[in-house]
Amino acid sequence: ETGVTQTPRHLVMGMTNKKSLKCEQHLGHNAMYWYKQSAKKPLELMFVYSLEERVENNSVPSRFSPECPNSSHLFLHLHTLQPEDSALYLCASSQETGGIVNSPLHFGNGTRLTVT
Amino acid sequence: GNSVTQMEGPVTLSEEAFLTINCTYTATGYPSLFWYVQYPGEGLQLLLKATKADDKGSNKGFEATYRKETTSFHLEKGSVQVSDSAVYFCALSDPGSGGGADGLTFGKGTHLIIQP
Repeated sequence: ETGVTQTPRHLVMGMTNKKSLKCEQHLGHNAMYWYKQSAKKPLELMFVYSLEERVENNSVPSRFSPECPNSSHLFLHLHTLQPEDSALYLCASSQETGGIVNSPLHFGNGTRLTVT
Repeated sequence: GNSVTQMEGPVTLSEEAFLTINCTYTATGYPSLFWYVQYPGEGLQLLLKATKADDKGSNKGFEATYRKETTSFHLEKGSVQVSDSAVYFCALSDPGSGGGADGLTFGKGTHLIIQP
């Protein structure tokens, strides 16, 4: 069983659809992240949750809505997306203590999203 | 702010060649440095890390030395294999940038292609 599992692996959605990405970590970590990976751009940190509280929101459009119901699960709810939102969305987890990341990030395999 | 700059790819080498992928960084504090590798269709995996000046991280024949004086963390391997073909990301974690689980700052990635 891999440490960080993301579903689905691939998703195609129209601009008027609503869908959700799911991430689950089995590492006992207390921080989880959503990253966006687009071609020829650095990974973009979208959201960070630490102890189930959102601690970072890097000016992400409101059409992306994260949810962290517990320390093992993270969702990204999508609605009315644009074609430029097509990318690989990566979930990661780590162990954080007192605001410092003590362990490297562990990534899932990502969800390849295509918005048509 | 923090930033990571790494050489643009693709880098194409023959099997058994010597590899260097340059990485330099700027940080407000005293960062930890990482190299991640992404194989096709997968998420990022930690390759190696270094947490203080002059530390050398190593794994799978890859090495990188934390050079504070030149703010660099170049990745090297003495003899590459076809299976090393992947995208390599340099990254930093800077606890001095304000605290909080703010993830990592990544470079754009270097696509490495090893030909038999």
